[in-house]
Amino acid sequence: SAVISQKPSRDICQRGTSLTIQCQVDSQVTMMFWYRQQPGQSLTLIATANQGSEATYESGFVIDKFPISRPNLTFSTLTVSNMSPEDSSIYLCSVYSRLAGGLDTQYFGPGTRLTVL
Amino acid sequence: AQSVTQLDSQVPVFEEAPVELRCNYSSSVSVYLFWYVQYPNQGLQLLLKYLSGSTLVESINGFEAEFNKSQTSFHLRKPSVHISDTAEYFCAVRDTGGYNKLIFGAGTRLAVHP
Repeated sequence: SAVISQKPSRDICQRGTSLTIQCQVDSQVTMMFWYRQQPGQSLTLIATANQGSEATYESGFVIDKFPISRPNLTFSTLTVSNMSPEDSSIYLCSVYSRLAGGLDTQYFGPGTRLTVL
Repeated sequence: AQSVTQLDSQVPVFEEAPVELRCNYSSSVSVYLFWYVQYPNQGLQLLLKYLSGSTLVESINGFEAEFNKSQTSFHLRKPSVHISDTAEYFCAVRDTGGYNKLIFGAGTRLAVHP
């Protein structure tokens, strides 16, 4: 399986500021995703991070609020912009690759626990 | 659109008792099915998956799940639970073919009591 790391693991931020979360994978992967898990809830897909092109956002999420970069096949960033308390969540990076031993399986990073005051 | 229903939001059970966590999905096409586990204050870990072949799949820690196509279900079971199994369990489904996204259920909190 792919080994995924995220930085920071947690942060407490003031409203109106922005935070960039990094996701690093130990091998090249085809697809990378960003999910949000609000307190006590399930996971919601924010966007698919595309290498070399703009991310594909799900309904309800926009690039201005959650800009995403993916400069290569092992790294991606998610920025949470102009934060409000409603953005307090766990943000998870996920990868999927048919080239790795996972065979149509998605793996998740440890998550970034964000609290906005 | 795909959807996943986990019928129980919470399941309390005593240690060494059997448990079943229910999952139903809505799809008329071929799917891949997954169970993920999230221990307190941790990320998601893949517990087991059904891609094809035998409809009964097992994990290394004693959980098993059975794919039932006619009932569109993928219930998770364990014959004897431990305190350490206390966690949130998420069922997820993805259409086969291409790079389709995972759809998650709302989750079931398994609380194992001594």
